[in-house]
Amino acid sequence: GENVEQHPSTLSVQEGDSAVIKCTYSDSASNYFPWYKQELGKGPQLIIDIRSNVGEKKDQRIAVTLNKTAKHFSLHITETQPEDSAVYFCAAPISGYALNFGKGTSLLVTP
Amino acid sequence: NAGVTQTPKFQVLKTGQSMTLQCAQDMNHNSMYWYRQDPGMGLRLIYYSASEGTTDKGEVPNGYNVSRLNKREFSLRLESAAPSQTSVYFCAVVPGSGGIPDTQYFGPGTRLTVL
Repeated sequence: GENVEQHPSTLSVQEGDSAVIKCTYSDSASNYFPWYKQELGKGPQLIIDIRSNVGEKKDQRIAVTLNKTAKHFSLHITETQPEDSAVYFCAAPISGYALNFGKGTSLLVTP
Repeated sequence: NAGVTQTPKFQVLKTGQSMTLQCAQDMNHNSMYWYRQDPGMGLRLIYYSASEGTTDKGEVPNGYNVSRLNKREFSLRLESAAPSQTSVYFCAVVPGSGGIPDTQYFGPGTRLTVL
């Protein structure tokens, strides 16, 4: 099945700086790559996703890039704010239905 | 519109006890999923239901059973709880019936401790 590796496991940045989280996947047939944000005590929530027919997608301060050749995709958060502090998960499809999640990155944005 | 609800929010069991975790959705979505989340392990799929009347095993199904009662409800049962099942359990729903990946909408979770 799909194997998703996520790095780093923890990330601390100062408010206003950028944060980058990277994930690699193993199945070259994978075609959908979402990113979820989980705040303390809550369930994960989709923040952005990308499909394999594009290389980059942006939504305000958040962007995702995809390199299908290298089989990795990254989450970029610019102008970080304290409310961006959370755990972020990447994921890739398991046979096109459920998702295989990375182990998560705990992001801390300090004022 | 509550979205995805899970009951109970917290539960403490003794080894060998049984219990059922409930998940309900008012989003009229077809697919429903049960995940468990353990520290440093991310989310792992236990069981899923692509549509009413169907269920399939995920990555870690041992020790669990599920029932898709109707389109709205998907329950997870622990017949004989073990300490290894201490975890946070999340239910998720997806608009489609599988095959095409789509947004997963998660419930707030059930925190289970087995002593």
